[in-house]
Amino acid sequence: QLQLQESGPGLVKPSETLSLTCTVSGGTFSSNNYCWGWIRQPPGKGPEWIGSVYYSGSTYYSPSLKSRVTISVDRTRNQFSLKLNSVTAADTAVYYCARRLEEMATIDYWGQGTLVTVSS
Amino acid sequence: QSALTQPPSASGSPGQSVTISCTGTSSDVGGYNFVSWYQQHPGKAPKLMIYEVNKRPSGVPDRFSGSKSANTASLTVSGLQAEDEADYYCSSYAGGNNFVFGTGTKVSVV
Repeated sequence: QLQLQESGPGLVKPSETLSLTCTVSGGTFSSNNYCWGWIRQPPGKGPEWIGSVYYSGSTYYSPSLKSRVTISVDRTRNQFSLKLNSVTAADTAVYYCARRLEEMATIDYWGQGTLVTVSS
Repeated sequence: QSALTQPPSASGSPGQSVTISCTGTSSDVGGYNFVSWYQQHPGKAPKLMIYEVNKRPSGVPDRFSGSKSANTASLTVSGLQAEDEADYYCSSYAGGNNFVFGTGTKVSVV
């Protein structure tokens, strides 16, 4: 059974960089049939798509976050990472990593999520 | 990209049906047959319930069904059960490898 696990600091100061890593286990990391993505969900609100990375390293970002986001992949460790710079309180959210099926354009596996709070 | 619009809440008695709407634009819901629905219980990650408008993943009861007309997609839960009480979110492909989620609907089984 595929499992995704987010890791990283739960508290980030304003103006600094939020960094999270997702470790994938129990399944195939390399495939053209899916990509790996990040989604966030502010408390009490709906999810927001952040962006995705393919095994090849190709990346796609949400237009609203594109200027501040970098997503990368580490094929040797079956991991992919998120960096969001210049954070503010508005970036406080539960951050999920996930697998997105390419052909069906849907997310079939999610990590458990990790709460990141932006505060001084 | 604006979030897809869902009613904040919906409710039904056990055994009844409830339908949730999800309204977008011709650039997302209306432009692609890539609408998904997710169920989220408190403190848990979302769970895929419907993909490609009306397809159910293995293991999802056939009480859950989806449809779409123009820029509005719908999720119907028939034969409501206590465990169906949760938040439901729609999502749509929006072109350019981007996705948009809905505002969410809290379903109560009363």
